[in-house]
Amino acid sequence: EAQVTQNPRYLITVTGKKLTVTCSQNMNHEYMSWYRQDPGLGLRQIYYSMNVEVTDKGDVPEGYKVSRKEKRNFPLILESPSPNQTSLYFCASSLLGVLSYNEQFFGPGTRLTVL
Amino acid sequence: KNQVEQSPQSLIILEGKNCTLQCNYTVSPFSNLRWYKQDTGRGPVSLTIMTFSENTKSNGRYTATLDADTKQSSLHITASQLSDSASYICVVRASGGSYIPTFGRGTSLIVHP
Repeated sequence: EAQVTQNPRYLITVTGKKLTVTCSQNMNHEYMSWYRQDPGLGLRQIYYSMNVEVTDKGDVPEGYKVSRKEKRNFPLILESPSPNQTSLYFCASSLLGVLSYNEQFFGPGTRLTVL
Repeated sequence: KNQVEQSPQSLIILEGKNCTLQCNYTVSPFSNLRWYKQDTGRGPVSLTIMTFSENTKSNGRYTATLDADTKQSSLHITASQLSDSASYICVVRASGGSYIPTFGRGTSLIVHP
């Protein structure tokens, strides 16, 4: 089944304790992206990657890191989490197209709470 | 700055009724507009995509319209069902090689029996 998977789905952690949220897709998509979703603010892009070893900042990159060593994986790293990073996180992937028509497929989400 | 505004913010309707959700955007140059449906606690799923040359497109009980001149889109839901209760998100992409989409904040729809 074609899908985007994220792990963990739920995580409660404490301020300053490094964590990684994994994202993997099995559709051979070039483009992958991380979003956070907060009440009243909608989805905001954190980082995106257009291919292996190619990453770029989205709208809210502060406090996050990403890497794209393999095409299928795009982990999100919080080196020193803070309470303001408590949020619902989504990973998404899509094919690349000249006219950016391609649909983004979203993972199931990771609910992160930083105490 | 590219922006996408959705209205209403929330909507409550009775099962079987129709409703229309609105999306206004300032993204330029325009490439395409997608409507996503997001069930509570799940990732968004695409309902339909509208490109510059398209005015209307249907997907079952969902019909999207696009007026590229006024930069407005609507999503009409016919004969609503309880399963339509969700957040509906409008996402607009610019042309010219940018892969950063602009998201609306969504309309939360609740369908009551």
